[in-house]
Amino acid sequence: QKEVEQNSGPLSVPEGAIASLNCTYSDRGSQSFFWYRQYSGKSPELIMSIYSNGDKEDGRFTAQLNKASQYVSLLIRDSQPSDSATYLCAVIGGYSSASKIIFGSGTRLSIRP
Amino acid sequence: GAVVSQHPSRVICKSGTSVKIECRSLDFQATTMFWYRQFPKQSLMLMATSNEGSKATYEQGVEKDKFLINHASLTLSTLTVTSAHPEDSSFYICSASGAGYDRSSYEQYFGPGTRLTVT
Repeated sequence: QKEVEQNSGPLSVPEGAIASLNCTYSDRGSQSFFWYRQYSGKSPELIMSIYSNGDKEDGRFTAQLNKASQYVSLLIRDSQPSDSATYLCAVIGGYSSASKIIFGSGTRLSIRP
Repeated sequence: GAVVSQHPSRVICKSGTSVKIECRSLDFQATTMFWYRQFPKQSLMLMATSNEGSKATYEQGVEKDKFLINHASLTLSTLTVTSAHPEDSSFYICSASGAGYDRSSYEQYFGPGTRLTVT
């Protein structure tokens, strides 16, 4: 079992709709959770971090964390063509800034006009 | 968010030569820097983790004599690909953490990456 699992997609969503991206992780002791966006040929960009159970909203993005189910998701409201990218779920199990991030393989999101 | 730069953005070199890539945290002191490699349409692969002033920790399968990492200061880390071969051609990306307080210091900010082509 992979440590961080994501559906590779592609996930196709019409413009203006809500895109829902899901991620599960295997280490129950994981403490920190991140969503990165990566455009083709570019490096990843941090868009959300979440540390506690529940929802965290930032503009059109909402991250949801359920530690009991070992599940983290990202919702993108009012999807735009510019949201088309690969979204990487990432998890840290440790308690320091030197702890390794474990990345999922990413979900490719395509927003169709 | 915190800003990380990389230089050069693109480099082409001949087989057998060495290439140095610089990674800088521009507006924060990075306690830890990470080096990744990414082949086309594949996931990020962590190569090594480095802390300022100490030796880098390499991931299994990564040759430390081939990929030399120096983390000389809290804002600069370098990766030198020694005796490069065509199979080393890839997208090399650094990241840095330590920008915030408490758990936000765990957030990794990525540089723009360096595309290496070895001919």
